[in-house]
Amino acid sequence: QVQLVQSGAEVKKPGASVKVSCKASGYTFTSYDINWVRQATGQGLEWMGWMNPNSGNTGYAQKFQGRVTMTRNTSINTTYMELSSLRSEDTAVYYCARVVRLTNNAGYTSGYYPDSWGQGTLVTVSS
Amino acid sequence: SYELTQPPSVSVSPGQTASITCSGDKLGDKYACWYQQKPGQSPMLVIYQDSKRPSGIPERFSGSNSGNTATLTISGTQAMDEADYYCQAWDSSTVVFGGGSKLTVL
Repeated sequence: QVQLVQSGAEVKKPGASVKVSCKASGYTFTSYDINWVRQATGQGLEWMGWMNPNSGNTGYAQKFQGRVTMTRNTSINTTYMELSSLRSEDTAVYYCARVVRLTNNAGYTSGYYPDSWGQGTLVTVSS
Repeated sequence: SYELTQPPSVSVSPGQTASITCSGDKLGDKYACWYQQKPGQSPMLVIYQDSKRPSGIPERFSGSNSGNTATLTISGTQAMDEADYYCQAWDSSTVVFGGGSKLTVL
């Protein structure tokens, strides 16, 4: 079965960086994009961006451009999300998720949705 | 940027039908999906491609999407269905989530 196992909780000071890992198993790692989504306490889901583990291509939400970097290591089926210049508002649970991409007859993406999620990683930013 | 709007809260009596809406400009032209999230847990996909149920999701969960509104319907709602529900769509190479709806079963 599909499993995404994330690294453990982190406590960071403002201005620091955090790197969260997400190890995939139960499917062909390079066949599905991985997305990162965060959720502050009591708040909704906030999409951060995507990574294609096959090509290494990435796309980031405008809000996080310049602060987030998504990478992968295909030899160990693991993706990483690094967020820099942390501030208190970045305190949240960070999730990785495997994504299904639907394409139409012309080859364009017609749908794109997470179908399996990691357990989440709590990142606390505090001085 | 594209936005999806959900009611913050929905209430339903046990055994009755709950409907949660998700509104967005021409949402019916896109695929909508729905996630259930219980406290302390990761989101779980309950509806994809507007109306399909993943394996293991009870038949009481159904979905529709037309015009500007997608709807998640839970028939014969059970206490275990009490949770937050989020809609999601794909627009301009961006994943968009609705703000979430808290379903209370009382």
